[in-house]
Amino acid sequence: AQSVAQPEDQVNVAEGNPLTVKCTYSVSGNPYLFWYVQYPNRGLQFLLKYITGDNLVKGSYGFEAEFNKSQTSFHLKKPSALVSDSALYFCAVRLRSGGSYIPTFGRGTSLIVHP
Amino acid sequence: EAQVTQNPRYLITVTGKKLTVTCSQNMNHEYMSWYRQDPGLGLRQIYYSMNVEVTDKGDVPEGYKVSRKEKRNFPLILESPSPNQTSLYFCASTRLSGTTTDTQYFGPGTRLTVL
Repeated sequence: AQSVAQPEDQVNVAEGNPLTVKCTYSVSGNPYLFWYVQYPNRGLQFLLKYITGDNLVKGSYGFEAEFNKSQTSFHLKKPSALVSDSALYFCAVRLRSGGSYIPTFGRGTSLIVHP
Repeated sequence: EAQVTQNPRYLITVTGKKLTVTCSQNMNHEYMSWYRQDPGLGLRQIYYSMNVEVTDKGDVPEGYKVSRKEKRNFPLILESPSPNQTSLYFCASTRLSGTTTDTQYFGPGTRLTVL
């Protein structure tokens, strides 16, 4: 079984400050990990993914995420938040091999960046 | 332009009236899936398809049907909609490779209301 937890329903940050959106996962094997963003009235858009290799993954729009195997976490970060980053963010996980292709998504975290 | 399209984008219907939501992708992807998004529950997978004529249940398949007669199309069918199927629906597709690391492309969503 695989699961994803996004412990915060909402994250508030001031523009220009660093932001972190948390994600922890549970999977019986090696994971593929993903972050997606959903802007209002839009579908999900891919931000970044961890497959293997460097634990720090850089993605679109200046976002990055760090894979921490010991803490089973994949937190999304950005050094300086923009008001336009305000959106709903989803973390997803699936098994790297031996499992189905069905990814499990977290419940989503609403990021609000204040001017 | 690579894209996943869904129609209709908005639909209000009544209990018991059969409906179909279409999904089409132009990327020659093998894998397609349907999700529903509900507040506080994130995305839950309804059905998925690994290729033409190959479909399987996701986490919440009750009350839904799908078909995959052509590679590009993956319609979602509600034979007898009920109010608890009021939700935001997303179609997604991805290419299957040897390592299956490709990300999913999502459609813009269909907001369904069942009265």
